[in-house]
Amino acid sequence: DTEVTQTPKHLVMGMTNKKSLKCEQHMGHRAMYWYKQKAKKPPELMFVYSYEKLSINESVPSRFSPECPNSSLLNLHLHALQPEDSALYLCASSNQGSATNEKLFFGSGTQLSVL
Amino acid sequence: DAKTTQPPSMDCAEGRAANLPCNHSTISGNEYVYWYRQIHSQGPQYIIHGLKNNETNEMASLIITEDRKSSTLILPHATLRDTAVYYCIASLYNQGGKLIFGQGTELSVKP
Repeated sequence: DTEVTQTPKHLVMGMTNKKSLKCEQHMGHRAMYWYKQKAKKPPELMFVYSYEKLSINESVPSRFSPECPNSSLLNLHLHALQPEDSALYLCASSNQGSATNEKLFFGSGTQLSVL
Repeated sequence: DAKTTQPPSMDCAEGRAANLPCNHSTISGNEYVYWYRQIHSQGPQYIIHGLKNNETNEMASLIITEDRKSSTLILPHATLRDTAVYYCIASLYNQGGKLIFGQGTELSVKP
């Protein structure tokens, strides 16, 4: 199984809502990532978890709150988002996250619209 | 992480080789060159990576110049399904798995 599964595929939320994005992998990977991608732009790194600990936070606003309950699951909790946060949110995983010669496996993303 | 520069778009005829260039003139000695591609409405897909030597796998070949300031991704027989945005990334991968995407090249394979 070389899949990274993201749910939901689409999400529409208001600025006062609280929602969560979910990501799951069963490849035994110990590193997981959140990227944000605006239309016609490259993915931007948000967070990296390595061995279930947050290792990189790219100065992401606190309205985005990541959580890694175990090595197979990654959540992104959303609260009080702005319309400019509308984007494709991509999850990825890799073997360890701190070694060379690693490749990332990406999910298909959650398309988020904030109204 | 070194900055990479790619042409914004390229065309290629179906069945011909697609050669995608990438400049990474500020790359340091321990930074790998990675290539990913993103087909519309999907997540990025790993293609290949290398440090100094040329690399080949079932998807593509990677040619890195001797001074490591540039590289070329070669898709030997492009098909319509290879139409995608191709990202070249120079990544200091042994520091927390930080993979920073550049602007990419939009490759259109035409019949």
